[in-house]
Amino acid sequence: AQSVAQPEDQVNVAEGNPLTVKCTYSVSGNPYLFWYVQYPNRGLQFLLKYITGDNLVKGSYGFEAEFNKSQTSFHLKKPSALVSDSALYFCAVRDPGAGGYNKLIFGAGTRLAVHP
Amino acid sequence: DTAVSQTPKYLVTQMGNDKSIKCEQNLGHDTMYWYKQDSKKFLKIMFSYNNKELIINETVPNRFSPKSPDKAHLNLHINSLELGDSAVYFCASSQASGKTYEQYFGPGTRLTVT
Repeated sequence: AQSVAQPEDQVNVAEGNPLTVKCTYSVSGNPYLFWYVQYPNRGLQFLLKYITGDNLVKGSYGFEAEFNKSQTSFHLKKPSALVSDSALYFCAVRDPGAGGYNKLIFGAGTRLAVHP
Repeated sequence: DTAVSQTPKYLVTQMGNDKSIKCEQNLGHDTMYWYKQDSKKFLKIMFSYNNKELIINETVPNRFSPKSPDKAHLNLHINSLELGDSAVYFCASSQASGKTYEQYFGPGTRLTVT
């Protein structure tokens, strides 16, 4: 079965330091991977995706993610964290078995706390 | 110019009641979804419609009935509400053709069943 794991419930980082939010996946075939962010009492916002091509994907708000096929990982990164980056981050993978339709399977989420 | 909107934002009701949540998207997308986010923030797909046709129907009690009057609207009706239905329900949309894949989410409807 297709799955996504976010091994950390929470990541704490000081403002200005680099941040990494981890994601590993298990999917048959080529993975289509996504990162979303959820601010308190808001819907999910799309950050970036990997479909094919360059393993380093750049997205919104200065975030990027690195696709690593051998490690089945898609970690989210940012060179310099801001307090305003504090939110809940979700990794997701497209389920290839959904009859060609766009069914996403989400990880459990990682809460990022950036301290001043 | 909200892309995906939901009404109401909050819904408080008693067990046994029937309620509906409405969703509209103005992105011109052809596919819409309902997700449930539980108290632990776990997000799971419930239904998806493509051009008004039901294409994804996860293991959801048949008390939940989605309806898509047109491809810009997807409503969720819930009969005989139970305590366990308390959650945040998100609507989302995407474009199947063009293969962009990412989904755009509404602000959510927080349902509280007492």
